[in-house]
Amino acid sequence: QVQLQESGPGLVKPSETLSLTCSVSDYSISSGHYWGWIRQPPGKGLEWIGHIYPGGSSYHNPSLKSRVTMSADTSKNQFSLRLDSVTAADTAVYYCASIGQVELNIDYWGQGTVVTVSS
Amino acid sequence: DIQMTQSPSSLSASVGDRVTITCRASQSISSFLNWYQQKPGKAPKLLIYAASSLHSGVPSRFSGSESGTDFTLTISSLQPEDYATYYCQQSYRTPLTFGGGTKVEIK
Repeated sequence: QVQLQESGPGLVKPSETLSLTCSVSDYSISSGHYWGWIRQPPGKGLEWIGHIYPGGSSYHNPSLKSRVTMSADTSKNQFSLRLDSVTAADTAVYYCASIGQVELNIDYWGQGTVVTVSS
Repeated sequence: DIQMTQSPSSLSASVGDRVTITCRASQSISSFLNWYQQKPGKAPKLLIYAASSLHSGVPSRFSGSESGTDFTLTISSLQPEDYATYYCQQSYRTPLTFGGGTKVEIK
């Protein structure tokens, strides 16, 4: 089954940019899934950030306005998230995941990475 | 956005009990409803997709059903490893949205 691993800074200053990368193993990201990001603030529920199809369409949560950029590097079998102008409200565990193209079910998840926004 | 309302928010149950969790969508979502299990400090895991299809490797004591905009996750006989928080998620339309979660605790 597909393996996913998030990487990136655990601490980001307010107003700066959060950047995370997800490395995918045992499955090519070009092979028919969407690849997405979900976050979970401390002690709270899950929030879908967005997902991307390599070389094709991407979708993001309008609640994040235009702060989100997602990209994919098929040569490295990785995909990435950028979230601009972060505030303390963006502090969360960030998960990368594979998302089924038909059902949009989130079938495999990374272990998650904690990102804290603080000066 | 489509709102997903889960109930109850928490419940206590004993090993061997039958447990039912409900999720209601704010509008029709056809069968685009998925269920996840999350244990403390871990990523969620997919249990059920398309309202009633069991994900690979998930025990058969988990099942899902639907009636209009109401969806149900049933654990037929609760096991010690099932104590966790459960989330529903609609995948009918973006933004994908989740229910608030149901925490299943030991009675």
